[in-house]
Amino acid sequence: DAMVIQNPRYQVTQFGKPVTLSCSQTLNHNVMYWYQQKSSQAPKLLFHYYDKDFNNEADTPDNFQSRRPNTSFCFLDIRSPGLGDAAMYLCATHMSGGSTDTQYFGPGTRLTVL
Amino acid sequence: QQQVKQSPQSLIVQKGGISIINCAYENTAFDYFPWYQQFPGKGPALLIAIRPDVSEKKEGRFTISFNKSAKQFSLHIMDSQPGDSATYFCAAGPGGSQGNLIFGKGTKLSVKP
Repeated sequence: DAMVIQNPRYQVTQFGKPVTLSCSQTLNHNVMYWYQQKSSQAPKLLFHYYDKDFNNEADTPDNFQSRRPNTSFCFLDIRSPGLGDAAMYLCATHMSGGSTDTQYFGPGTRLTVL
Repeated sequence: QQQVKQSPQSLIVQKGGISIINCAYENTAFDYFPWYQQFPGKGPALLIAIRPDVSEKKEGRFTISFNKSAKQFSLHIMDSQPGDSATYFCAAGPGGSQGNLIFGKGTKLSVKP
């Protein structure tokens, strides 16, 4: 059974048109992450939530925002997508203080910007 | 101090051979070292992980070797199979409360039949 679910799997948007990607989890983990992964590159952390506390990476553009309305859901909002924002967006979860430090990744959303 | 350097960038191995991927880290505060396997179009999946209190961990055909003094760790895939063809990422992090990971740049492994 899927534990970290991302919707949609593929998203096409136009240059400058806002887009929202969603992530949900059935693991009840308190930490959720958003990564950006471009072709043939490592995942790059954009930000993460530790419970309700939002932690932004210093080099994450202001164009990227996130919301976490409850433990299970987290959203990535791209306010004005540019061509350079085309990438795979990965959501991951982690249980702080749990028996393992594993991060569990979703299948990703492939974003295309036209 | 936050980098994880991974090599090689790509690797071609014959079926049945041994695949070896190396990583080096800088931050001595790191104490969690996972390897992730990623197939095209999929999210990374945890393959195997190690903590610095042991020098080796084996799970099936996959082994992590860890050298704390050299700040290096490596993944060995024994009896490599075409189904192992994927991109492998090493990562390192402090573990614990927030579990943030620093990823290596990845190694694309191709196992030839």
